Amino acid sequence: EIVLTQSPGTLSLSPGERATLSCRASQTINSNYLAWYQQTPGQAPRLLIYGASSRATGIPDRFSGSGSGTDFTLTISRLEPEDFAVYYCQQYGSSPWTFGQGTKVEIK
Amino acid sequence: QVQLVQSGAEVKKPGASVKVSCKASGYTFTGYYMHWVRQAPGQGLEWMGWINPNSGATDYAHRFQGRVTMTRDTSISTAYMELSRLRSDDTAVYYCASGGDYGDYLTYFDYWGQGTLVTVSS
Repeated sequence: EIVLTQSPGTLSLSPGERATLSCRASQTINSNYLAWYQQTPGQAPRLLIYGASSRATGIPDRFSGSGSGTDFTLTISRLEPEDFAVYYCQQYGSSPWTFGQGTKVEIK
Repeated sequence: QVQLVQSGAEVKKPGASVKVSCKASGYTFTGYYMHWVRQAPGQGLEWMGWINPNSGATDYAHRFQGRVTMTRDTSISTAYMELSRLRSDDTAVYYCASGGDYGDYLTYFDYWGQGTLVTVSS
């Protein structure tokens, strides 16, 4: 099973600032099958990024993903008020699918 | 538009079973694998398994094997997840999720149901 470790656990930033979230895998993720999701309280997760760097339909271009192998990054270039949420990475390159424990982006 | 609509909240006693449904619309139900993911209160996301709606084949996470059964009814585009021998730590929101490319089981999740809260309490 591939273990995903996200850091930091919490990121305290102000609107307009840049957010950089990390996801590290315990082994190489096949074909860079790494996705990022955003979750706000009481809502289902929302797909942001798939294939490590492809934005999902309707996702603003301030969200970008990068990385390969075992190290991946989600960057939010300028935080908007609606971006304060919890973010999860997920690998779907091999069974079992696994998620990171999440990074909470909170308002400073 | 694609929609996944789940059944309503459930309260169950320890040792009982629960069956959650997920009705799909807006796409070819048999073309995309359906996954189930759960989230305990205040916790992260946990993958439970998938079903191929076309063939009925399944793949379950190791920790749920023997307790979970995923089925589907293609005539009504609905997937089901049944979890047996419930314990208090099975209290969670259960989501169905689907997406990715047609016929591909290595999928990310474009679409999610609204979630079903299952509470296990004596």
